[in-house]
Amino acid sequence: AQSVTQLGSHVSVSEGALVLLRCNYSSSVPPYLFWYVQYPNQGLQLLLKYTSAATLVKGINGFEAEFKKSETSFHLTKPSAHMSDAAEYFCAVTLNSGNTPLVFGKGTRLSVIA
Amino acid sequence: DARVTQTPRHKVTEMGQEVTMRCQPILGHNTVFWYRQTMMQGLELLAYFRNRAPLDDSGMPKDRFSAEMPDATLATLKIQPSEPRDSAVYFCASAFETSYGYTFGSGTRLTVV
Repeated sequence: AQSVTQLGSHVSVSEGALVLLRCNYSSSVPPYLFWYVQYPNQGLQLLLKYTSAATLVKGINGFEAEFKKSETSFHLTKPSAHMSDAAEYFCAVTLNSGNTPLVFGKGTRLSVIA
Repeated sequence: DARVTQTPRHKVTEMGQEVTMRCQPILGHNTVFWYRQTMMQGLELLAYFRNRAPLDDSGMPKDRFSAEMPDATLATLKIQPSEPRDSAVYFCASAFETSYGYTFGSGTRLTVV
């Protein structure tokens, strides 16, 4: 069965600093991988997704993620944090066949310090 | 932008009462999911449907929870009787194919007192 592990339940960065949110996956077959963002009192919004077309995936709001099969990782990065990036971020995985549901990580809360 | 609509946004009810949450998926999305979010458990999959047929509801307490799709524009999640431990945010999401990603609704925040 597939799963994801998000390292660090809370990450704090200064405004303008690099954002790095870690996600490792476990899957017996090539997966589809996703990052979602959740702002307070809102639903989850898709940031970006990996579907095997390219290992470096660019998403909304300046975020990107790189799929590294050798490390079974899909870390989310942003070169320069903005106050508006403060939110909860979720990594998710599904198999690349059928319509199996997404399996979500526990989430990482990002705080941005002025 | 197309969106998933959930009602109500907030619900406070007394223990033992019936609660019904509704979801209107995006037109053309044939897969609908119900998730529950709590601080302790994170996001838990309760049930999902494809083409209105239930595919898996193993995440739901069967004795009190039920999920249905009366038609393609409406999914419902019902709790009867409700208990304080059911307090959580319930999300509906829809997808054309899972590999494309989900679109989530804004959630129903349920408080059972």
